[in-house]
Amino acid sequence: SQKIEQNSEALNIQEGKTATLTCNYTNYSPAYLQWYRQDPGRGPVFLLLIRENEKEKRKERLKVTFDTTLKQSLFHITASQPADSATYLCALEENYGQNFVFGPGTRLSVLP
Amino acid sequence: DAGVIQSPRHEVTEMGQEVTLRCKPISGHNSLFWYRQTMMRGLELLIYFNNNVPIDDSGMPEDRFSAKMPNASFSTLKIQPSEPRDSAVYFCASSLGQPGLNYGYTFGSGTRLTVV
Repeated sequence: SQKIEQNSEALNIQEGKTATLTCNYTNYSPAYLQWYRQDPGRGPVFLLLIRENEKEKRKERLKVTFDTTLKQSLFHITASQPADSATYLCALEENYGQNFVFGPGTRLSVLP
Repeated sequence: DAGVIQSPRHEVTEMGQEVTLRCKPISGHNSLFWYRQTMMRGLELLIYFNNNVPIDDSGMPEDRFSAKMPNASFSTLKIQPSEPRDSAVYFCASSLGQPGLNYGYTFGSGTRLTVV
C-alpha cells in the first residue's frame, strides 16, 4: 500500500511569507492528488485537486505542484496570514479513484 | 445544504458497551466513507459505500466493527463490544460521483469517542 510522508509535523513561518508544504509518496503514482485543510475539532475541508498530467494548479493564494518523477507534491500558500494556521493533509487516490488515502498532515502556524 | 451531519459529537462509554455512530450525507451524494483519526495513525479509511452498497470494508479493524447504509440519507457505524483502543475521532464523508474528480470529499464534524 502507499506510504505517504509530509514534511515535519509542524511548520512555523512569519506572516506575509510563502509557506511550502511537501507530500512525498513511495509506491505507484496516483492519477489524482488532493490537499485538505483541517482546523482543530473539525473535519478536513477540500482545497485543491491536481491530476497526474497537470504540473501546477492555482486557486487564489494557493498553488499545488505534482511531480510524478520525484513522487512529490508541493503545496504553497503565498502572502500567508495567521488565519492560514491549520493542519494541511495531502490525499492520494487509490482503486482507480474510488477512495483516497491521507498523509499524516503538517501543522502550519503563521506568526503575526 | 447543512453539510454532512454526524451524531453524537462526543460519546463517552464504558468498555464492553455497544456504540453506534450516525451519519447523514449530503443529499444527492452517492458515495459515503467512514474514517477514523488518531494521533498515532492519522486518518484511516474504515469502509466506503457507493449507492448504499458497501464496496470495501478492508479497513474495518475487526469483527467488532460493522457499518450499514439502509438508504441514501443515513449510515451507521457500530462497535460492539467497545474497547479503550477504539478511542478516536470518527469522521463520515460523502462525495458526488467518483470521489475527488473536482470537489473532493465533504467531511462531517466527527464524533469523538472515548472508551473508558
